[in-house]
Amino acid sequence: KQEVTQIPAALSVPEGENLVLNCSFTDSAIYNLQWFRQDPGKGLTSLLLIQSSQREQTSGRLNASLDKSSGRSTLYIAASQPGDSATYLCAVYSGTYKYIFGTGTRLKVLA
Amino acid sequence: EAQVTQNPRYLITVTGKKLTVTCSQNMNHEYMSWYRQDPGLGLRQIYYSMNVEVTDKGDVPEGYKVSRKEKRNFPLILESPSPNQTSLYFCASSLGDRVGGELFFGEGSRLTVL
Repeated sequence: KQEVTQIPAALSVPEGENLVLNCSFTDSAIYNLQWFRQDPGKGLTSLLLIQSSQREQTSGRLNASLDKSSGRSTLYIAASQPGDSATYLCAVYSGTYKYIFGTGTRLKVLA
Repeated sequence: EAQVTQNPRYLITVTGKKLTVTCSQNMNHEYMSWYRQDPGLGLRQIYYSMNVEVTDKGDVPEGYKVSRKEKRNFPLILESPSPNQTSLYFCASSLGDRVGGELFFGEGSRLTVL
Protein backbone atom coordinates (compact mmCIF):
# COMPACT_ATOMS: atom_id res chain seq x y z
CA LYS A 1 0.00 0.00 0.00
CA GLN A 2 1.40 3.36 -1.04
CA GLU A 3 2.29 5.70 1.80
CA VAL A 4 3.43 9.29 1.46
CA THR A 5 5.42 11.07 4.16
CA GLN A 6 6.43 14.69 4.47
CA ILE A 7 9.09 15.71 6.93
CA PRO A 8 9.31 18.08 8.72
CA ALA A 9 5.70 18.72 9.66
CA ALA A 10 6.50 22.38 10.28
CA LEU A 11 9.32 24.70 9.31
CA SER A 12 10.10 28.30 10.17
CA VAL A 13 12.75 30.25 8.22
CA PRO A 14 13.84 33.88 7.86
CA GLU A 15 12.90 35.75 4.72
CA GLY A 16 15.32 35.34 1.83
CA GLU A 17 16.46 31.86 2.73
CA ASN A 18 16.47 29.06 0.15
CA LEU A 19 14.67 26.01 1.46
CA VAL A 20 13.86 22.42 0.60
CA LEU A 21 10.69 20.52 1.44
CA ASN A 22 10.73 16.74 1.32
CA CYS A 23 8.24 14.14 0.17
CA SER A 24 8.85 10.39 0.42
CA PHE A 25 6.75 7.55 -0.97
CA THR A 26 7.01 3.83 -0.36
CA ASP A 27 6.11 2.40 -3.78
CA SER A 28 8.18 3.67 -6.69
CA ALA A 29 5.59 2.56 -9.27
CA ILE A 30 3.99 5.97 -9.72
CA TYR A 31 2.68 7.79 -12.78
CA ASN A 32 3.14 11.29 -11.42
CA LEU A 33 3.76 13.39 -8.34
CA GLN A 34 2.14 16.74 -7.70
CA TRP A 35 2.99 19.53 -5.27
CA PHE A 36 0.25 21.74 -3.85
CA ARG A 37 0.03 24.84 -1.71
CA GLN A 38 -2.77 25.30 0.81
CA ASP A 39 -3.49 28.51 2.66
CA PRO A 40 -5.40 28.20 5.97
CA GLY A 41 -9.01 27.17 5.40
CA LYS A 42 -8.61 27.34 1.65
CA GLY A 43 -8.41 24.93 -1.24
CA LEU A 44 -5.30 23.30 -2.65
CA THR A 45 -3.52 25.14 -5.44
CA SER A 46 -1.45 23.06 -7.83
CA LEU A 47 2.16 24.20 -7.99
CA LEU A 48 4.00 21.61 -10.05
CA LEU A 49 3.24 18.26 -11.63
CA ILE A 50 6.10 15.88 -12.40
CA GLN A 51 5.43 12.91 -14.66
CA SER A 52 7.23 9.67 -13.82
CA SER A 53 9.47 10.08 -16.86
CA GLN A 54 10.66 13.52 -15.73
CA ARG A 55 13.38 14.40 -13.24
CA GLU A 56 12.29 17.92 -12.41
CA GLN A 57 9.91 20.79 -13.11
CA THR A 58 10.36 24.49 -12.55
CA SER A 59 7.98 27.39 -12.10
CA GLY A 60 9.40 30.75 -11.11
CA ARG A 61 11.16 30.38 -7.75
CA LEU A 62 9.96 26.81 -7.36
CA ASN A 63 11.77 23.70 -8.50
CA ALA A 64 10.53 20.19 -7.87
CA SER A 65 12.65 17.11 -8.41
CA LEU A 66 11.69 13.46 -8.56
CA ASP A 67 13.80 10.39 -7.85
CA LYS A 68 11.50 7.43 -8.37
CA SER A 69 14.05 4.78 -7.53
CA SER A 70 14.63 6.19 -4.06
CA GLY A 71 10.99 7.18 -3.55
CA ARG A 72 11.72 10.85 -3.00
CA SER A 73 10.74 14.26 -4.25
CA THR A 74 11.91 17.66 -3.13
CA LEU A 75 10.39 21.10 -3.56
CA TYR A 76 13.00 23.81 -3.62
CA ILE A 77 11.88 27.37 -2.90
CA ALA A 78 14.41 30.06 -3.74
CA ALA A 79 14.62 33.38 -1.92
CA SER A 80 11.65 32.69 0.33
CA GLN A 81 9.15 35.47 1.06
CA PRO A 82 6.51 35.91 3.79
CA GLY A 83 3.88 35.31 1.10
CA ASP A 84 5.23 31.77 0.72
CA SER A 85 3.90 30.94 4.18
CA ALA A 86 1.41 28.11 3.73
CA THR A 87 1.11 24.35 4.01
CA TYR A 88 2.73 22.42 1.18
CA LEU A 89 1.41 18.99 0.27
CA CYS A 90 2.62 16.38 -2.15
CA ALA A 91 0.49 13.68 -3.76
CA VAL A 92 1.40 10.65 -5.85
CA TYR A 93 -0.70 8.89 -8.44
CA SER A 94 -0.06 5.18 -8.78
CA GLY A 95 -3.04 4.29 -10.94
CA THR A 96 -6.43 2.84 -9.89
CA TYR A 97 -7.88 6.36 -9.74
CA LYS A 98 -6.40 7.18 -6.35
CA TYR A 99 -4.13 10.03 -5.44
CA ILE A 100 -2.29 9.51 -2.15
CA PHE A 101 -1.46 12.63 -0.17
CA GLY A 102 1.16 13.40 2.42
CA THR A 103 0.08 15.27 5.55
CA GLY A 104 1.98 18.36 4.52
CA THR A 105 4.72 20.69 5.74
CA ARG A 106 3.54 23.90 7.36
CA LEU A 107 5.96 26.65 6.29
CA LYS A 108 6.31 30.01 7.97
CA VAL A 109 8.61 32.62 6.44
CA LEU A 110 9.50 35.35 8.90
CA ALA A 111 9.86 38.95 7.74
CA GLU B 1 -11.54 30.48 -16.24
CA ALA B 2 -10.91 26.80 -15.49
CA GLN B 3 -12.29 25.98 -12.09
CA VAL B 4 -13.94 23.59 -9.70
CA THR B 5 -16.86 25.17 -7.85
CA GLN B 6 -18.29 23.89 -4.59
CA ASN B 7 -21.39 25.04 -2.75
CA PRO B 8 -22.08 25.82 -0.02
CA ARG B 9 -18.73 27.03 1.25
CA TYR B 10 -19.90 27.00 4.84
CA LEU B 11 -22.74 25.06 6.41
CA ILE B 12 -23.94 24.41 9.92
CA THR B 13 -26.58 21.72 10.25
CA VAL B 14 -28.03 19.36 12.82
CA THR B 15 -27.73 15.61 13.16
CA GLY B 16 -29.96 13.71 10.76
CA LYS B 17 -30.87 16.56 8.43
CA LYS B 18 -30.02 15.49 4.89
CA LEU B 19 -27.75 17.78 2.95
CA THR B 20 -26.04 17.94 -0.41
CA VAL B 21 -22.76 19.63 -1.28
CA THR B 22 -22.57 20.42 -4.97
CA CYS B 23 -19.44 20.28 -7.12
CA SER B 24 -19.12 21.44 -10.69
CA GLN B 25 -16.13 21.66 -13.04
CA ASN B 26 -15.84 23.43 -16.38
CA MET B 27 -12.77 21.63 -17.74
CA ASN B 28 -14.54 18.64 -19.32
CA HIS B 29 -12.69 16.37 -16.90
CA GLU B 30 -13.55 12.68 -16.77
CA TYR B 31 -12.36 12.13 -13.20
CA MET B 32 -13.88 13.74 -10.11
CA SER B 33 -13.35 12.99 -6.46
CA TRP B 34 -14.39 14.01 -2.97
CA TYR B 35 -12.00 14.33 -0.01
CA ARG B 36 -12.35 15.28 3.58
CA GLN B 37 -9.57 16.98 5.49
CA ASP B 38 -9.24 16.66 9.25
CA PRO B 39 -6.44 17.89 11.53
CA GLY B 40 -3.76 15.25 11.94
CA LEU B 41 -5.38 12.92 9.40
CA GLY B 42 -4.67 14.78 6.18
CA LEU B 43 -6.76 14.36 3.06
CA ARG B 44 -8.82 11.21 2.83
CA GLN B 45 -10.74 10.16 -0.24
CA ILE B 46 -14.48 9.60 0.18
CA TYR B 47 -15.69 8.66 -3.32
CA TYR B 48 -14.48 9.12 -6.85
CA SER B 49 -15.92 8.92 -10.33
CA MET B 50 -14.11 7.84 -13.47
CA ASN B 51 -16.86 9.00 -15.80
CA VAL B 52 -20.60 9.59 -16.04
CA GLU B 53 -22.53 6.92 -14.11
CA VAL B 54 -19.27 5.31 -12.88
CA THR B 55 -18.40 5.83 -9.23
CA ASP B 56 -16.43 3.93 -6.60
CA LYS B 57 -15.64 4.08 -2.91
CA GLY B 58 -12.56 5.74 -1.57
CA ASP B 59 -11.04 5.17 1.85
CA VAL B 60 -13.83 6.65 4.01
CA PRO B 61 -17.17 6.23 2.17
CA GLU B 62 -19.38 5.39 5.17
CA GLY B 63 -22.22 7.87 5.63
CA TYR B 64 -21.86 9.43 2.18
CA LYS B 65 -23.44 8.96 -1.23
CA VAL B 66 -22.54 10.38 -4.62
CA SER B 67 -23.94 10.45 -8.12
CA ARG B 68 -22.53 11.36 -11.53
CA LYS B 69 -25.41 11.95 -13.90
CA GLU B 70 -23.59 14.64 -15.86
CA LYS B 71 -19.92 14.97 -16.64
CA ARG B 72 -19.53 18.37 -15.02
CA ASN B 73 -21.35 17.67 -11.73
CA PHE B 74 -20.50 15.38 -8.82
CA PRO B 75 -22.63 16.09 -5.74
CA LEU B 76 -21.85 14.68 -2.31
CA ILE B 77 -24.88 13.62 -0.30
CA LEU B 78 -25.03 13.14 3.47
CA GLU B 79 -28.30 11.31 4.04
CA SER B 80 -28.20 11.52 7.84
CA PRO B 81 -25.26 13.65 8.95
CA SER B 82 -23.59 12.95 12.28
CA PRO B 83 -21.13 15.07 14.31
CA ASN B 84 -18.18 12.91 13.17
CA GLN B 85 -18.80 14.21 9.64
CA THR B 86 -17.86 17.71 10.75
CA SER B 87 -14.94 18.43 8.45
CA LEU B 88 -13.54 20.44 5.56
CA TYR B 89 -14.62 18.87 2.28
CA PHE B 90 -12.91 19.23 -1.07
CA CYS B 91 -13.98 18.30 -4.56
CA ALA B 92 -11.29 17.73 -7.17
CA SER B 93 -11.12 16.83 -10.85
CA SER B 94 -8.60 15.76 -13.46
CA LEU B 95 -8.49 14.56 -17.03
CA GLY B 96 -8.56 11.02 -15.71
CA ASP B 97 -6.34 9.50 -18.36
CA ARG B 98 -4.13 6.50 -17.69
CA VAL B 99 -1.37 8.56 -16.08
CA GLY B 100 -3.68 10.46 -13.80
CA GLY B 101 -3.30 14.05 -14.88
CA GLU B 102 -3.08 17.24 -12.89
CA LEU B 103 -5.56 17.40 -10.03
CA PHE B 104 -7.58 20.62 -9.59
CA PHE B 105 -9.36 21.44 -6.34
CA GLY B 106 -12.37 23.47 -5.35
CA GLU B 107 -12.18 26.03 -2.55
CA GLY B 108 -13.61 23.68 0.02
CA SER B 109 -16.84 23.37 2.00
CA ARG B 110 -16.64 23.63 5.77
CA LEU B 111 -19.37 21.55 7.32
CA THR B 112 -20.36 21.55 10.99
CA VAL B 113 -22.86 18.99 12.24
CA LEU B 114 -24.32 19.75 15.68
